[in-house]
Amino acid sequence: GAVVSQHPSRVICKSGTSVKIECRSLDFQATTMFWYRQFPKQSLMLMATSNEGSKATYEQGVEKDKFLINHASLTLSTLTVTSAHPEDSSFYICSVPLAGGYEQYFGPGTRLTVT
Amino acid sequence: GENVEQHPSTLSVQEGDSAVIKCTYSDSASNYFPWYKQELGKRPQLIIDIRSNVGEKKDQRIAVTLNKTAKHFSLHITETQPEDSAVYFCAASMGGSARQLTFGSGTQLTVLP
Repeated sequence: GAVVSQHPSRVICKSGTSVKIECRSLDFQATTMFWYRQFPKQSLMLMATSNEGSKATYEQGVEKDKFLINHASLTLSTLTVTSAHPEDSSFYICSVPLAGGYEQYFGPGTRLTVT
Repeated sequence: GENVEQHPSTLSVQEGDSAVIKCTYSDSASNYFPWYKQELGKRPQLIIDIRSNVGEKKDQRIAVTLNKTAKHFSLHITETQPEDSAVYFCAASMGGSARQLTFGSGTQLTVLP
């Protein structure tokens, strides 16, 4: 299957700082990538759809000014958590859908802890 | 938007027994239904999926059934093994330009040796 990488795998930051998470599609180009968030013992919730060359589409309740998404190339999308707070501590996972297909390939996730 | 409900939230079975997890969805436009297994701290792993033009699909010990009329689908695991213990998520998608997944709430499956 396709390979999707995320960096970093774990990050600890202080409250008020910003953190950037990268999602890379290593096998194929992707005009669309998805960002999900998963709190402990909960399900994955879609945060936003990252669109190459255009603005991201955010789900209801997700602050676009707090979670900045940049999809500058066909293989890279970045999620920046700005002014992070402890309640932003979560597991962030990106996924890349296969063009013309249904299956999605998930990155390994990034564990963010805000102290 | 789509809403996916999943139950049970926890399921314990004896090794060798079968496990069944059920999901319902709300949007009749959904046409792709994957099931994922997630181990602690890891990414979701696709174990089986089904599209709306098929009623049942099987892959060795794992099977999925879909009832489009009732808008529900189920995961069946036979001859369970301790390594099947994990959290299982169902999901639904409309495909095409709206391929984002809506996940169920998850089922913690424990297979007792």
